[in-house]
Parts: sequence; structure tokens; C-alpha cells
Amino acid sequence: AQSVTQLDSHVSVSEGTPVLLRCNYSSSYSPSLFWYVQHPNKGLQLLLKYTSAATLVKGINGFEAEFKKSETSFHLTKPSAHMSDAAEYFCVVSARGSGNTGKLIFGQGTTLQVKP
Amino acid sequence: DSGVTQTPKHLITATGQRVTLRCSPRSGDLSVYWYQQSLDQGLQFLIQYYNGEERAKGNILERFSAQQFPDLHSELNLSSLELGDSALYFCASSDRDSSLYEQYFGPGTRLTVT
Repeated sequence: AQSVTQLDSHVSVSEGTPVLLRCNYSSSYSPSLFWYVQHPNKGLQLLLKYTSAATLVKGINGFEAEFKKSETSFHLTKPSAHMSDAAEYFCVVSARGSGNTGKLIFGQGTTLQVKP
Repeated sequence: DSGVTQTPKHLITATGQRVTLRCSPRSGDLSVYWYQQSLDQGLQFLIQYYNGEERAKGNILERFSAQQFPDLHSELNLSSLELGDSALYFCASSDRDSSLYEQYFGPGTRLTVT
């Protein structure tokens, strides 16, 4: 079975400082991993995805994530936070196996607060 | 704008009632996925349709059902509503029959059961 754990429910940073949102996954298979962002009263938007190609994945808006199999982690980073980055971030793993072809499993989410 | 549309945006109804949520996928996408987002359960996958056929099922209650029509739009029917069904319901679409690929999410329908 697949699962994902976001290690922080809330992260607060100052504008211009680095962002680190932590995610650990569990998967019996080689996983596909995603980070989605949800701004208030909006739908979810894909930031980036890992699908067994390069382990360092670059996404939109300056975000990137590194897949580390030995640590079963897929942490999201950004060198310099912007006020517009304040949102809810979800780490997501794709379920595999019979009958699970469409299933995404979401972490509980991390709320990123950016202070001026 | 993801290209996925959902109607209505908000829905307020009473316990015991039945509602229908509608989703139109991005042009050309054959897969439609439904998700429920609530404070206590987080974001959960409900069900997937691909080109009119059910492909995957998640934590969908028996009181809930869905279908995908020949024009590829989908409807999620929720019946015998309970207070606990209050949530944000998202639809997503994809051009593939697999969760390995990006899904595009609509803005959601906020359901309030009173």
C-alpha cells in the first residue's frame, strides 16, 4: 500500500528566505510523486512531479523537489519565498496496482505562511 | 484556469436531501476523477471514470454515485445527505487512464448540509 506523510502541518517563513516543506512516502512500487498547491478558495495546481526520471525535479514558480529513495523523502524547496507563495501544499503519491490506476493519495497538507 | 469547470460553486441543502454536482473536463481529456476535501478526512479520492467507464474506486459511500456521459462530462450524485457530507468536492481530469500523470483540478463545489 502507498501512503504519504507531510511532516509539518504549518510552516512560517519570512519573505526572501528559503522554503522547505517535508514529505515522506511509503510505496511498494517505484512511486510517482507530486506536489500540488491550493490557494485559498481555489482548486489544486500541480507544482511538479517525479516519475522515475531525474531525481531533482524543477517545477513552476521556482519550486523544486528531490526524490531520495534511501530516505523515502520528496521534500519541496524554494530558495526565496514570495508573499504569493502563501498557500496549502500537498504531497501526493500515485497508487498503483489492480483497481488503483486512477488513485492519488494526498498528504494532510502543509500551510505555508509568508511574513513580510 | 485549469480548463475544468464545476457547477454549482456553492450548494446548501438539508439533511436527507439529494444533490448532483457537475463537472466538465478539459477539452480532449477522457478521464474524470472526483475527490472530497473535508477538515477531518483531508483530501480523498472517490472515483474515476475513463471514457464513460468506471476505472477506479476509492472511499466512496454507497449513498454516492457517479457517471460519465458520452460528451465526457461527469456528475456526482449524493443522496440521503448527512451533516458529515459537508465538504469541498473537486473534479479533476486527465488525458490518460492512469494516476501517474498530471490531473487538472476544477475550482470545486462547496457543499453545506444543514
